[in-house]
Amino acid sequence: AQSVTQPDIHITVSEGASLELRCNYSYGATPYLFWYVQSPGQGLQLLLKYFSGDTLVQGIKGFEAEFKRSQSSFNLRKPSVHWSDAAEYFCAVVNYGGSQGNLIFGKGTKLSVKP
Amino acid sequence: KAGVTQTPRYLIKTRGQQVTLSCSPISGHRSVSWYQQTPGQGLQFLFEYFSETQRNKGNFPGRFSGRQFSNSRSEMNVSTLELGDSALYLCASSLALAGSETQYFGPGTRLLVL
Repeated sequence: AQSVTQPDIHITVSEGASLELRCNYSYGATPYLFWYVQSPGQGLQLLLKYFSGDTLVQGIKGFEAEFKRSQSSFNLRKPSVHWSDAAEYFCAVVNYGGSQGNLIFGKGTKLSVKP
Repeated sequence: KAGVTQTPRYLIKTRGQQVTLSCSPISGHRSVSWYQQTPGQGLQFLFEYFSETQRNKGNFPGRFSGRQFSNSRSEMNVSTLELGDSALYLCASSLALAGSETQYFGPGTRLLVL
């Protein structure tokens, strides 16, 4: 069965520092991958997605992610974190088991930003 | 273009009652999916509706049901509520079947079962 692993439950970075959030997936073929962000009490906002093509994907709010097939990873990066980036981040993969098509989410990584 | 809207935003019910949640997708989107988010289980898929038909279903008991109307709006119903049904229920819409399209999420309905 497909799965998504976000190894870091909670990360704290200083404002202005760089950020990398890890995501590993399990799927035999090329997956459709997403990163979503959730602020407290809110729904999920799409940051970026990877379907095919260029393995470095640019998203909103200055985020980017790189798809690495050899490592089954889709890590999210930002060169300089702002206080407003504090939120929970979810990596997701489309479930193609049994012609499903729904999203399978990781457990999320909560990001705290120190002033 | 307006985003996905969900009503109500907050709901308090007691065990044994039933509840209906509503979701209006982005204009032009024909697929609506529902997810449950809890601190323990995370985000879990409930079901997907496309063209008024359930196309896909997650691993939830029959107490959870849904439907979709001809204007693509969707409702989700939970009968005989249990304490464990307390969660944030998120609706997502996509242009076509979710497997090949990006899903856009609404703000969610937070359900508290007492």
